[in-house]
Amino acid sequence: DAGITQSPRHKVTETGTPVTLRCHQTENHRYMYWYRQDPGHGLRLIHYSYGVKDTDKGEVSDGYSVSRSKTEDFLLTLESATSSQTSVYFCAIKGSSDTEAFFGQGTRLTVV
Amino acid sequence: AQKITQTQPGMFVQEKEAVTLDCTYDTSDQSYGLFWYKQPSSGEMIFLIYQGSYDEQNATEGRYSLNFQKARKSANLVISASQLGDSAMYFCAMRDWGNQFYFGTGTSLTVIP
Repeated sequence: DAGITQSPRHKVTETGTPVTLRCHQTENHRYMYWYRQDPGHGLRLIHYSYGVKDTDKGEVSDGYSVSRSKTEDFLLTLESATSSQTSVYFCAIKGSSDTEAFFGQGTRLTVV
Repeated sequence: AQKITQTQPGMFVQEKEAVTLDCTYDTSDQSYGLFWYKQPSSGEMIFLIYQGSYDEQNATEGRYSLNFQKARKSANLVISASQLGDSAMYFCAMRDWGNQFYFGTGTSLTVIP
């Protein structure tokens, strides 16, 4: 367990509003990831980070931005939420060993 | 581009029987890792087993084993002695040399009493 906490766990927001999801880790792991999970698509990478202020886009990054100003926090922002961004969002961490990859509990986001 | 394929959307298995969940991957990387995760109805992602691309022996973790066939690029999960609590979604994933992870679309396993 890498001590990963996602907040909030559930959120309902209106179309057009900004939303920020937080992923917090307690073990100073370098790599952090944001995924979205949708039926029939598995988990798709939105953005990832390989260090403080070092981030890169994944396959479904449009409409999302991220920031990592501290090792322990990786923030995902929906600048202007749309109904297509209704999903379950998972934060993940690559552990210190190549054999380790852990997930947060997930955030269920509904955009109405 | 990396790709993970799970061709079985749903599987059924009798309690106490073994079941194999299929996973194939596509990569040109020499160094990579393969993972299986379980997602019960509660939603959390639970790590089950890992296989490195250079590992010569198939990985095992309790009732889980990974049938790794490198030349065929397959990494099937075998669950022995299925239990009712094994009913869940199962995801295959690959970590590439750049530490990006790619996931399949998942297999829903139902264990029948």
